Amino acid sequence: AQSVAQPEDQVNVAEGNPLTVKCTYSVSGNPYLFWYVQYPNRGLQFLLKYITGDNLVKGSYGFEAEFNKSQTSFHLKKPSALVSDSALYFCAVRDSGAGSYQLTFGKGTKLSVIP
Amino acid sequence: GAGVSQTPSNKVTEKGKYVELRCDPISGHTALYWYRQSLGQGPEFLIYFQGTGAADDSGLPNDRFFADRPEGSVSTLKIQRTERGDSAVYLCASSKAGGPTGELFFGEGSRLTVL
Repeated sequence: AQSVAQPEDQVNVAEGNPLTVKCTYSVSGNPYLFWYVQYPNRGLQFLLKYITGDNLVKGSYGFEAEFNKSQTSFHLKKPSALVSDSALYFCAVRDSGAGSYQLTFGKGTKLSVIP
Repeated sequence: GAGVSQTPSNKVTEKGKYVELRCDPISGHTALYWYRQSLGQGPEFLIYFQGTGAADDSGLPNDRFFADRPEGSVSTLKIQRTERGDSAVYLCASSKAGGPTGELFFGEGSRLTVL
């Protein structure tokens, strides 16, 4: 079975500092990994994905994520946080070895960027 | 429309009543997904369609829940004999193709409250 863990319920970071939101996964085959962001009272918005190739993927709003197969991680990063980055972030995974295209989400991490 | 449209945005009902939630996906998207999100949790998979057929309904919690997509576009999630535990935000998403690498585009959700 595929699963995702986001070990931090909340991350606080000062504006202008780098940010990291952690994600680890478990799959039987190869992982397809995604990050989504959810602003209050809004739907989930796609940020970026890792399918294959370069371990560092770049996405919307200056975010990037690094795939690490040995650590089964896919941490979300941004070099310089903005107050407007404050939101709920979800990591998600699909298992290439599964028979379904079901996308499994983590519980989410609330990011607060402090001015 | 430009995005995934869900109606109603809010639904309040009494325990034991029947509820229908509608999803209109992005035009041309063949895959459609339903998720349920409870407060403080990540989206929980319910069902996904590839065209008109349910490709994976393993997330439906019990036989009170049913969804269809008769013409391969609009989908309706139907909940019979609602219970207070059904209260959640029901999210719909669509994807351009049914493969495992495509990202999902989410609607803003239908908030269901069962009194």
